[in-house]
Amino acid sequence: DAGVIQSPRHEVTEMGQEVTLRCKPISGHDYLFWYRQTMMRGLELLIYFNNNVPIDDSGMPEDRFSAKMPNASFSTLKIQPSEPRDSAVYFCASSTLGPLHFGNGTRLTVT
Amino acid sequence: AQSVTQLDSQVPVFEEAPVELRCNYSSSVSVYLFWYVQYPNQGLQLLLKYLSGSTLVKGINGFEAEFNKSQTSFHLRKPSVHISDTAEYFCAVSDKANDYKLSFGAGTTVTVRA
Repeated sequence: DAGVIQSPRHEVTEMGQEVTLRCKPISGHDYLFWYRQTMMRGLELLIYFNNNVPIDDSGMPEDRFSAKMPNASFSTLKIQPSEPRDSAVYFCASSTLGPLHFGNGTRLTVT
Repeated sequence: AQSVTQLDSQVPVFEEAPVELRCNYSSSVSVYLFWYVQYPNQGLQLLLKYLSGSTLVKGINGFEAEFNKSQTSFHLRKPSVHISDTAEYFCAVSDKANDYKLSFGAGTTVTVRA
């Protein structure tokens, strides 16, 4: 079991650019979560999917953020346009009605 | 709605000493409780979980936690820490009413010194 795989590990981009973060959940897991971690706000749930369907996106900060899950093995989180305040570590996690399994995160820096 | 309060943001401790990290939760329904550990530049790893049954839960790396329903607490303990236990620890709660979404505490940074 390779665990939850996120790419890239690090992303540095300029303000205004589009950023796409990717996640491959553990095979067989039917829940997928996107979290954001910052020093100021801790871990925040952005959105989660069940069987590829978005269930709750109330944590998405604003319309600049969007997430998709086209199939059971892939999800993306897109920020367009990016802003410096989006700088954070973004985690993807998957589960099947139990403990979450986290990826190693993508550290995003927007300059 | 559920929430988690970790009462200590920083816990310095000497090697081989015991450590306790405090966690209190609020929820209107039956809950599942978790402790996660985050090492530098890594994702969160599950230390232990309480779903039902015995209130004393043993996890990996010698950690254990006790679920206390009357005090709505789930404190984490280790009788003797190692330098390698230096990390950030997160308490989390979920319940069926919220589709098992995890709510995390703010985290406790444990620094183990020789």
